[in-house]
Amino acid sequence: IAGITQAPTSQILAAGRRMTLRCTQDMRHNAMYWYRQDLGLGLRLIHYSNTAGTTGKGEVPDGYSVSRANTDDFPLTLASAVPSQTSVYFCASSPEGSYNEQFFGPGTRLTVL
Amino acid sequence: SQQGEEDPQALSIQEGENATMNCSYKTSINNLQWYRQNSGRGLVHLILIRSNEREKHSGRLRVTLDTSKKSSSLLITASRAADTASYFCATDRGSNYKLTFGKGTLLTVNP
Repeated sequence: IAGITQAPTSQILAAGRRMTLRCTQDMRHNAMYWYRQDLGLGLRLIHYSNTAGTTGKGEVPDGYSVSRANTDDFPLTLASAVPSQTSVYFCASSPEGSYNEQFFGPGTRLTVL
Repeated sequence: SQQGEEDPQALSIQEGENATMNCSYKTSINNLQWYRQNSGRGLVHLILIRSNEREKHSGRLRVTLDTSKKSSSLLITASRAADTASYFCATDRGSNYKLTFGKGTLLTVNP
């Protein structure tokens, strides 16, 4: 079934540890996005990529990095996790030529202790 | 900063009733989109309305857009318990910008 997968589904992480959240899509969408969702704050864009090989910063990029080596994969890395990065993380993608309708993955629930 | 703000924050209705949610935004847009999120799941795109459109329908969904008031409404007719979810508006300000989501309206449809 075509779509976006994210891994892991959930993770508990000690502060200071490095963590990579994985995102893979099989729809050949050019654009991909990472959001975090926090209660009372809605969805906020962390980083995005308009096409393979390019990335950009969103609203809340500090403490996160991304790479886009190919069309399908868009991993999000927390170099040294802090408790304020406890959140639900969603990956999304959008096809070229669309009006920017986005398709979302199921999310990763991350707890940093 | 939030571009879209939904109103109300929470809405509880009985099955069969209509549900109306509103979204206000601050700057000019190319289009406005509505998404649904069931508890514990990712967002699902419902409907998109372009800035030069005033009304759009999709099944039981009706979306209106008033660019002079910078506002949109989502109407769900004949609601069902399965419509229970959070609903988000998202604005697209153009190619150099990304979607900006509001904080959502939590809709509860009681059977």
